Amino acid sequence: EVHLVESGGGLEQPGRSLRLSCTGSEFTFGDFALSWLRQAPGKGLEYVGLIRGKGFDKTPDYAASVMGRFIISRDDSKDVAYLQMNSLRSDDTAIYFCARGRRGLLAYYFDLWGQGTLVTVSS
Amino acid sequence: DILMTQSPSSLSASVGDRVTITCRASHSVSSWVAWYQQKPGKAPNLLIFQASSLQSGVPSRFSGSGSGTDFTLTISYLQPDDFATYYCQQYSYFPSTFGQGTKLEI
Repeated sequence: EVHLVESGGGLEQPGRSLRLSCTGSEFTFGDFALSWLRQAPGKGLEYVGLIRGKGFDKTPDYAASVMGRFIISRDDSKDVAYLQMNSLRSDDTAIYFCARGRRGLLAYYFDLWGQGTLVTVSS
Repeated sequence: DILMTQSPSSLSASVGDRVTITCRASHSVSSWVAWYQQKPGKAPNLLIFQASSLQSGVPSRFSGSGSGTDFTLTISYLQPDDFATYYCQQYSYFPSTFGQGTKLEI
């Protein structure tokens, strides 16, 4: 069955770092963009960033709210994408989802989602 | 960023009803709109892409329409499994942005 699984969430202090992983199964991982999105408790969905597939040189892009603090990378040999979160802030507290991206005009929609992993930033 | 405004924010309906959720973009996004369903504690699930294309495996009672700035999601005959929160998303411009959600309640 085609799916994505996130891991690496947990409790971390403000200013510290955390790395999330997203592992894909049963599809050609490298062909697709992989995105990270988040949902703060009781709130809506927020785009965090994305890394394109091999057909688009695996280039990343980021929402303004995380630019310069978060880094997205991928290792297609392992079917894994990563979200390195640095300089964590309390407003980064959320469930983080990875999702497979399908290209639109300049951005992507998401046809396959992981179950999410909770990140809590608190002292 | 493109602002996506959904209405209503919440909606009460009954099994068998026909319901419509609307989404308005702050700038034309052509037909680059998707709709998702999210149940409590679960990931979102893609229903509609490119404004009106039904994702594989999604029941045909779901339909989408619109272009430019105004979009609708219609559920033609509500089933018990349809009570959830629905989000629209534009993917015409970077960054992709979502509506605030519509909670559909019994």
